[in-house]
Amino acid sequence: EVQLVQSGAEVKKPGESLKISCKASGYNFATHWIGWVRQMPGKGLEWMGILYPADSDTKYSPSFEGQVTISADKSITTAYLQWNSLKASDTAIYFCARQAAEGGTMESGMDVWGQGTTVTVSS
Amino acid sequence: SYEMTQPPSVSVSPGQTARITCSGDALPKQYAYWYQQKPGQAPILIIYKDTQRPSGIPERFSGSSSGTTATLTISGVQAEDEADYYCQSAENRGTYRVFGSGTKVTVL
Repeated sequence: EVQLVQSGAEVKKPGESLKISCKASGYNFATHWIGWVRQMPGKGLEWMGILYPADSDTKYSPSFEGQVTISADKSITTAYLQWNSLKASDTAIYFCARQAAEGGTMESGMDVWGQGTTVTVSS
Repeated sequence: SYEMTQPPSVSVSPGQTARITCSGDALPKQYAYWYQQKPGQAPILIIYKDTQRPSGIPERFSGSSSGTTATLTISGVQAEDEADYYCQSAENRGTYRVFGSGTKVTVL
């Protein structure tokens, strides 16, 4: 079964760092783009960025470039989303999701999603 | 940065047809994708590459695209179709993706 399992909920203070994870299984992790999506409380979906594990090619939305870092460890088929200094406005649910198409194309939908990681940033 | 616009809400009676539009300047060049999200759940891909339906998605869901507008049509709406729907596409050069603003479908 193809699945993405995300790390658990986090409660952090402003200024702290954080790295959340997304463990993939059931498919060739290296050859599918994997992305991150933010959903702030009561709001819509926001596409943050995407990474191709085979060569670590990474693309960010202009809204998130420089604010977060997307990475992956192919050896343990896990993708990451990282912040160096959290803000209260980072409070949200974060989803990882796999691009359906295999190979280097991003031209496909996000067909498998993680369960979401809730991040709460509060002093 | 690039934005795509959807109507905030659509209301429809059971058995009727719901149409949700998504407007974006890059849509003549880029495919549209549609997702359904129910409260407390992760989104589900229901339409890809403008018109294609993944396996397991009911036939009452269909997609089309013309010019700067993509449309999701739900024919014969059922109570279980009450959810938020999001379009997704890429900006002109295809460098990054964007979600539309989202549409809440209410089944009366």
